[in-house]
Amino acid sequence: DIVMTQSPDSLAVSLGERATINCKSSQSVLYSSNNKNYLAWYQQKPGQPPKLLIYWASTRESGVPDRFSGSGSGTDFTLTISSLQAEDVAVYYCQQYYSTPPLYTFGQGTKLEIK
Amino acid sequence: EVQLVQSGAEVKKPGESLKISCKGSGYSFTSYWIGWVRQMPGKGLEWMGIIYPGDSDTRYSPSFQGQVTISADKSISTAYLQWSSLKASDTAMYYCVREGGHSYGDYWGQGTLVTVSS
Repeated sequence: DIVMTQSPDSLAVSLGERATINCKSSQSVLYSSNNKNYLAWYQQKPGQPPKLLIYWASTRESGVPDRFSGSGSGTDFTLTISSLQAEDVAVYYCQQYYSTPPLYTFGQGTKLEIK
Repeated sequence: EVQLVQSGAEVKKPGESLKISCKGSGYSFTSYWIGWVRQMPGKGLEWMGIIYPGDSDTRYSPSFQGQVTISADKSISTAYLQWSSLKASDTAMYYCVREGGHSYGDYWGQGTLVTVSS
């Protein structure tokens, strides 16, 4: 199985500052035939289901504010929130969908709070 | 508008059976996979299995193989997750999620909380 490891486990950032969450996969999730990274980011607020933010490592889902961006390739990925807003307090998960379904795996989650 | 609407919260005793549901609307139910994801209290997300309602192709993560059964009734655009004998360790929130086939989950159900306690 592909193991996804996020860092840090928790993060406190001041309003308006940049927040950066990292995700590392135990093997590459870059599919050479289409040059796509099979990596998504989700946001989960308390009492809510996860919400898709980013897919193919860097494509923002429709309606997601442009302060959210994804980057990286192969085994190392980053979710960046350029200017933290109060409504961004949540747990963030990365997920690989490279493996044959349903062996998709999530990272352990990163809890983002306001400093 | 794409929606996945799950059945309501359940409280069961160990050893009882249970079937929860996820009804899709606003899209072609038979053209997308439906996955099930477990979230134990205070914990992260785990893929349990997935079904393609178009032909009922069903696959299970090794951790959940033999522990649950996933099915679908395409005539009513509904997927199911069932247990034959619940354990206290099955206490969790369960989400269904639409997936495009070797792809990301773009729409999620609201979740069904299952509590198993004697």
